[in-house]
Amino acid sequence: DADVTQTPRNRITKTGKRIMLECSQTKGHDRMYWYRQDPGLGLRLIYYSFDVKDINKGEISDGYSVSRQAQAKFSLSLESAIPNQTALYFCATSDPGRGETQYFGPGTRLLVL
Amino acid sequence: DQQVKQNSPSLSVQEGRISILNCDYTNSMFDYFLWYKKYPAEGPTFLISISSIKDKNEDGRFTVFLNKSAKHLSLHIVPSQPGDSAVYFCAASAKSLHFGNEKLTFGTGTRLTIIP
Repeated sequence: DADVTQTPRNRITKTGKRIMLECSQTKGHDRMYWYRQDPGLGLRLIYYSFDVKDINKGEISDGYSVSRQAQAKFSLSLESAIPNQTALYFCATSDPGRGETQYFGPGTRLLVL
Repeated sequence: DQQVKQNSPSLSVQEGRISILNCDYTNSMFDYFLWYKKYPAEGPTFLISISSIKDKNEDGRFTVFLNKSAKHLSLHIVPSQPGDSAVYFCAASAKSLHFGNEKLTFGTGTRLTIIP
């Protein structure tokens, strides 16, 4: 079984809809991250959480919100989706002792029409 | 403002030859550097890293070189194999008092194709 799972793997939605992307991990890591990948722009950090009570904005948090429901679960919400949020979204985790090495989920491909 | 740059979007190399992927950075506070490898429909996976106190780190066929004065790092793969065909991301982090080195800044990626 995969250590970091993301659901759904693919999603098509319409402008203005609220959607949630979910991430679960079995690695026992406290630290979790959400990134988006766009062609030519690499991976950009949206939000990160270092424990259940800790939520921090990344470099591109506008239009997004997150919820850390438990150590193992970190959800990303688009409150009102817009077409330029079409991207590949990745969740990642890391161990506090080796924080530089992050473990990524398989990604969620999101299309906003 | 792209603090980590990979100026070559793609690279093709003959099987058995050396692949050299390059990465430049602008933030002098970066003190830890990593390479991640990504196959289609999968998330990135950690490949190799280097601390700023070193100038070289080797792991099997993979070697990362760091030139701090030039703010440049490179990944060498030798010999290149067809399974090395993937997108490679360079990443960097700066130690902070509170968070350690956990925030990574990624480059835009280089697509490596190994020609059989």
